[in-house]
Amino acid sequence: QKEVEQDPGPLSVPEGAIVSLNCTYSNSAFQYFMWYRQYSRKGPELLMYTYSSGNKEDGRFTAQVDKSSKYISLFIRDSQPSDSATYLCAMSYNAGNMLTFGGGTRLMVKP
Amino acid sequence: DTGVSQDPRHKITKRGQNVTFRCDPISEHNRLYWYRQTLGQGPEFLTYFQNEAQLEKSRLLSDRFSAERPKGSFSTLEIQRTEQGDSAMYLCASSLAMGQETQYFGPGTRLLVL
Repeated sequence: QKEVEQDPGPLSVPEGAIVSLNCTYSNSAFQYFMWYRQYSRKGPELLMYTYSSGNKEDGRFTAQVDKSSKYISLFIRDSQPSDSATYLCAMSYNAGNMLTFGGGTRLMVKP
Repeated sequence: DTGVSQDPRHKITKRGQNVTFRCDPISEHNRLYWYRQTLGQGPEFLTYFQNEAQLEKSRLLSDRFSAERPKGSFSTLEIQRTEQGDSAMYLCASSLAMGQETQYFGPGTRLLVL
């Protein structure tokens, strides 16, 4: 079993929908949680960075961390076709440590 | 300001050949990471440097892999005697060892071993 699990999708939604992406993890020592977006054949781009439990909002993106359930989420409001990409969750034990990634969820937003 | 750059972007080689990739981090970043990503998977950690010191290596990093960061700036990742299973995207990331330490990724080098 992988340390970080993520549904691979693909997840297909109409433009304007609210998207919910999730990851579960097994190691309670993870303290830093990130979401990256990766377009085809490109490097990952950081979207959200969260320390410990709680919510963080940035524009159309909201990240939630529930450490008691070992579950993290990314919500995208008013989704756009340009949001079509693979979304990777990542986590680390300490700031600056190696990142452990989920396998990624492929999102397709249809106009 | 330029982000993390990697060279080459693509490399095709024959099994048994040696290959070397280069990563140039964001200029003031003192931490540099190498990851490997295969198709449909998330990146997997290989190794990382703080300045010129290699601080951690994954068990994924076999004896055929070696990484250097001689002056604490750019880094090279060499794969000797390549195998078909080495075909992957090799990603480099850098961060500043202070505060949040967000890792910023380069575009990757896509390796195909024939």
